[in-house]
Amino acid sequence: DTAVSQTPKYLVTQMGNDKSIKCEQNLGHDTMYWYKQDSKKFLKIMFSYNNKELIINETVPNRFSPKSPDKAHLNLHINSLELGDSAVYFCASSQDPGAGNTIYFGEGSWLTVV
Amino acid sequence: GQSLEQPSEVTAVEGAIVQINCTYQTSGFYGLSWYQQHDGGAPTFLSYNGLDGLEETGRFSSFLSRSDSYGYLLLQELQMKDSASYFCAVFLDRGSTLGRLYFGRGTQLTVWP
Repeated sequence: DTAVSQTPKYLVTQMGNDKSIKCEQNLGHDTMYWYKQDSKKFLKIMFSYNNKELIINETVPNRFSPKSPDKAHLNLHINSLELGDSAVYFCASSQDPGAGNTIYFGEGSWLTVV
Repeated sequence: GQSLEQPSEVTAVEGAIVQINCTYQTSGFYGLSWYQQHDGGAPTFLSYNGLDGLEETGRFSSFLSRSDSYGYLLLQELQMKDSASYFCAVFLDRGSTLGRLYFGRGTQLTVWP
């Protein structure tokens, strides 16, 4: 049973479209994250939620909007997709935001904008 | 801002020992983590150093020196399956920036037979 699962795994879409990536964790964790990994493998935090509340919002365009309906789910909606949004998006979770807590990553969603 | 420096590539042969260094400049440093990522896969946790010194987990060890803003990951008895990217990541002070884990750009380790 996958601990952090995200869908879709692959997504190819045209510029200007709106798309969503869904994420669910069955680890009972309180904290969930979205990370973006670019073509050079640079892994950068985008958002973090703790018990459904937004606690980290890095400098991310407003076109990106996370939503956490409950603490086991954190979805990412992207409006007006641009070529530069092409990347791998990783959902992740941890017991709490505390230092040293292992962050468990999903398998990634490979987004290609054409 | 935060900056982490680690080599972009390292190569070694099976059975060898390799050390991947990481130096950092951050405000509010709390601890250093290491993650492994195989091509096409998810990053997976390897180790965490909250205090100075060496942490050992099987063939992998990680070291931290806060005074030098430096850490390393030591991989022993290298195996082909260890070929992957290795990321150091700093955890920032909980009081100021809760739950922030910032990753370096990764070191691509290639293990040759």
